[in-house]
Amino acid sequence: DAGVTQSPTHLIKTRGQHVTLRCSPISGHKSVSWYQQVLGQGPQFIFQYYEKEERGRGNFPDRFSARQFPNYSSELNVNALLLGDSALYLCASSLAHKHPGTEAFFGQGTRLTVV
Amino acid sequence: TQLLEQSPQFLSIQEGENLTVYCNSSSVFSSLQWYRQEPGEGPVLLVTVVTGGEVKKLKRLTFQFGDARKDSSLHITAAQPGDTGLYLCAALNAGGTSYGKLTFGQGTILTVHP
Repeated sequence: DAGVTQSPTHLIKTRGQHVTLRCSPISGHKSVSWYQQVLGQGPQFIFQYYEKEERGRGNFPDRFSARQFPNYSSELNVNALLLGDSALYLCASSLAHKHPGTEAFFGQGTRLTVV
Repeated sequence: TQLLEQSPQFLSIQEGENLTVYCNSSSVFSSLQWYRQEPGEGPVLLVTVVTGGEVKKLKRLTFQFGDARKDSSLHITAAQPGDTGLYLCAALNAGGTSYGKLTFGQGTILTVHP
């Protein structure tokens, strides 16, 4: 079975542009979460989607948005890119979102560089 | 909001040495997870601890959850170069509007020299 797949793997954008990152969860997983990892730090939670509804949101500006599709894949959109948005964006999928200790499986991430 | 503090931030040791990484918070965790991340990859789950005082072993790795469920440690015995990576602790949020959210520590970068 394929793991969590993210595309693209690398991306270079200019300040002010927008970007769309994509994630396909493990087959059968209905929960997708997005994290931002700045170099040298731990991942920071951005969003969680379960059954196509937003179930959690981190402390990120409204420039960040996401959605989940009927096949449980997800997109993360970032508008008006800033230099500080340069980071590794990680997608994680899990079977459910309500069970403590539920294992989250991470994709390899999309490395976004804003110049 | 749970804040996790990991220490040390950097660890550079020789092959065969032992090491311990700590994860602390002022809040009580419902559960805590340890991940390992290699460059260019996403974090990979090593273990989940749920019960206060719990000890789990994974080959040369020993994970301990504090009795009060506010702290955890990862001990590696006889470290090998293949253990090199970023080790992250993460607390699972079990309530409120961010159910299922993982809050990560800042990570410990471990380098094991041959």
